Order: sequence, then structure tokens, then C-alpha cells
Amino acid sequence: QKEVEQNSGPLSVPEGAIASLNCTYSDRVSQSFFWYRQYSGKSPELIMSIYSNGDKEDGRFTAQLNKASQYVSLLIRDSQPSDSATYLCAVNSWGNEKLTFGTGTRLTIIP
Amino acid sequence: GAVVSQHPSRVICKSGTSVKIECRSLDFQATTMFWYRQFPKQSLMLMATSNEGSKATYEQGVEKDKFLINHASLTLSTLTVTSAHPEDSSFYICSATQGESYNSPLHFGNGTRLTVT
Repeated sequence: QKEVEQNSGPLSVPEGAIASLNCTYSDRVSQSFFWYRQYSGKSPELIMSIYSNGDKEDGRFTAQLNKASQYVSLLIRDSQPSDSATYLCAVNSWGNEKLTFGTGTRLTIIP
Repeated sequence: GAVVSQHPSRVICKSGTSVKIECRSLDFQATTMFWYRQFPKQSLMLMATSNEGSKATYEQGVEKDKFLINHASLTLSTLTVTSAHPEDSSFYICSATQGESYNSPLHFGNGTRLTVT
């Protein structure tokens, strides 16, 4: 059973600080990693994708991947109240149609 | 790019009736579409994987005769909830990939909130 684990939270971060969201996965041959943001009552939207070890930056977001440790994280710099949402980690591997989602981490940015 | 349109966004129906939800990929061809359901404060639950021109593959515990999925073209998949009951009330979300499934992200529609009275 392929698993993707996330701390459900809630994670509270002061406005302007760095929010750090973590995700571990069990399938060693995983190759594709995605972070989605889901606001309450809305569908998920893609924030970042990462495929290689290391960091990938896009604006205030940085995804970090460490395949040896089976760990992927998302950093949000200069956190804003509008970043308050549930963040979903999703993982896939070659030849597999279906993404495996974590249960999500609920993030609250405190003004 | 990679826009997925889902319609309707909200529907209220009476118990025993059927409801059809449409999912369209607007600017790409989607050989595979996925249907999810989400109850309040719970995580996404995959219901079925829909491949163009073939029967959908349903996840364990999902009744295929109740949740009819049709993927007639590369840009359109439909989910029909037949003989809906109040326990079918949920948030239904479709998604599609643009390229090879394993390395392409899912792009989600805006979801359909179904309320069965």
C-alpha cells in the first residue's frame, strides 16, 4: 500500500514568517511530486511540481525533495493570511495512472 | 493552459432522482480523467479512473451501477449519480492530466456540490 503522510495540523504561523509543510512517502520508486492548495469549499489547485532532488523555487514558494529520505516539503516565505488553506502533497511513480494524496495539512496564517 | 471545466457547480435534487455532472478539458486532450468525492473536513477520495473510449475503473467500495461514468471523447467525461439519496450529498470533483499520467500534475475542475433532499 503506497502511503503519503502529512501532519494534519492545524499549523499556525504568524504573518510574514516562513511556513514549512512536510510530507513523507513510502514508495521508493516515486518520481513525481506535487503540492496542491485547497481553500475551504473549493477544489485543489496546483502550486508546485518537483521531480529531482533539491530545491525548486517559484515566487514565495519553495519545494524541497530528498528521495533518499523519502521526504518532500513546501516552504512559504512571507506568509500572508491568503495562504491560509489546506495543503495537499501528492506523489506518483512511472507507469502509475493515479496520484496518491496525503490527507493534507491545514495552515492558518495569523495576522 | 490546462483548464478543466466542471458543470454544474451546485445542484440540489430530490431523493430518487439522477444527476449528471460534466467535466471538460478546455484546452487539452485528456485521455484519462479522475473523479473524486470529498466530504466536509475530509480528504479527497478517488472514486474512479475514466479512460476515453473504455469502461471506467472504479475504486473498491464505489458502486459502479450507482455512479455511472462515461468518457466519450478526449475532452469530456460525465458522472451520473443515479437514484440519489441524502448520503450521496457531497462535493464531487473531476480532474485530468495533460500528458503522461505519472509525471503530469492533475488539473482539477471547480467541483460540484450535490445536495440530495
